[in-house]
Amino acid sequence: QQQVKQSPQSLIVQKGGISIINCAYENTAFDYFPWYQQFPGKGPALLIAIRPDVSEKKEGRFTISFNKSAKQFSLHIMDSQPGDSATYFCAAINNAGNMLTFGGGTRLMVKP
Amino acid sequence: DVKVTQSSRYLVKRTGEKVFLECVQDMDHENMFWYRQDPGLGLRLIYFSYDVKMKEKGDIPEGYSVSREKKERFSLILESASTNQTSMYLCASSFSGTSGTKQFFGPGTRLTVL
Repeated sequence: QQQVKQSPQSLIVQKGGISIINCAYENTAFDYFPWYQQFPGKGPALLIAIRPDVSEKKEGRFTISFNKSAKQFSLHIMDSQPGDSATYFCAAINNAGNMLTFGGGTRLMVKP
Repeated sequence: DVKVTQSSRYLVKRTGEKVFLECVQDMDHENMFWYRQDPGLGLRLIYFSYDVKMKEKGDIPEGYSVSREKKERFSLILESASTNQTSMYLCASSFSGTSGTKQFFGPGTRLTVL
């Protein structure tokens, strides 16, 4: 049973466009929501994260939007670049940090 | 910078062999994790440990065991490797601070079981 559902599984975006990846969770014990970026042959790297007390967090071209009532959060990549092509994972973590669940991943390809 | 290292990047073993995957982190993190990553299935948690000698089963612990004798080292053991354990194995460590929990991953070990 997947506690964090991520969509789409793959995404193709034109250079300069906006990439949007969505995640939904079920367990209300989660209170920290990170996004990871993974390039081929590398381990996932923390990209940006949000806590449920804010509705949006922005770091450069990357923005997380969070809807606590709907238990949904999304990653927006503005002005997408070919170098953003990677697999992106959302995750949800509980307060103690010992219950962590990943979404299934989204393979993003940004066309030049 | 936090560093999580894994003993091998690539490993080829035969069915029935005992396999040890080692992970070391240098930031005194309490929590350590082992995942496997398979196409279309994302990351699945095998085991995690929140303290020395403590371990908890994750979502798919069958066929695996772990060992944490020292805080910085977390080992994944395949007692008798099988072909369905061919996968990418990722180790991670984490800490929880005032801004939330940050988890850091190693580069992964790609294991092939023949």
